Amino acid sequence: NAGVTQTPKFRILKIGQSMTLQCTQDMNHNYMYWYRQDPGMGLKLIYYSVGAGITDKGEVPNGYNVSRSTTEDFPLRLELAAPSQTSVYFCASSPGGGNYNEQFFGPGTRLTVL
Amino acid sequence: GESVGLHLPTLSVQEGDNSIINCAYSNSASDYFIWYKQESGKGPQFIIDIRSNMDKRQGQRVTVLLNKTVKHLSLQIAATQPGDSAVYFCAENMEYGNKLVFGAGTILRVKS
Repeated sequence: NAGVTQTPKFRILKIGQSMTLQCTQDMNHNYMYWYRQDPGMGLKLIYYSVGAGITDKGEVPNGYNVSRSTTEDFPLRLELAAPSQTSVYFCASSPGGGNYNEQFFGPGTRLTVL
Repeated sequence: GESVGLHLPTLSVQEGDNSIINCAYSNSASDYFIWYKQESGKGPQFIIDIRSNMDKRQGQRVTVLLNKTVKHLSLQIAATQPGDSAVYFCAENMEYGNKLVFGAGTILRVKS
């Protein structure tokens, strides 16, 4: 299993540009998540999904959109990039259902908006 | 709002010593508390978790203690090694969707 994979690893955007951060997991997990991590800070939840076709906002959803058309993929869309979106973005997945279970994280995408 | 936070931003320990990383939380309704390790340039990696009805749980070289009376969580690492150098986060599990709320993190530096 590759686990959780993210592309690209690095990206520089100009203000106002758009892009999609890709996330794929091959563990057949139901739950998937997007977090952002600003320098010297913990992770903050942007969006999450408890299954294909279902998405919900997290703590900091403004400026982002997501979709979940398949179990494996959970892309994060930035429509109008702003400098405040400069951050490292992590995707995660977990089996889901019932009680808490461990989240598995991808390696991250480092995004800079200039 | 509810939050999870850390007392010490940086901890330096000598190789072979024990390390203790602390975390304060404010949401007493959470069911699980989790410790993650994040090495430079990588995503967080699960270390150990503890359910709210427990006060201690041990893993390999790590122990998590939960004190619900004072809303305090700690991670103890025995015989700290250079490979333990990383940022450590505590997090609490938030019910529906298995969501996590993370603290700010503690940097652990191990001196050889």
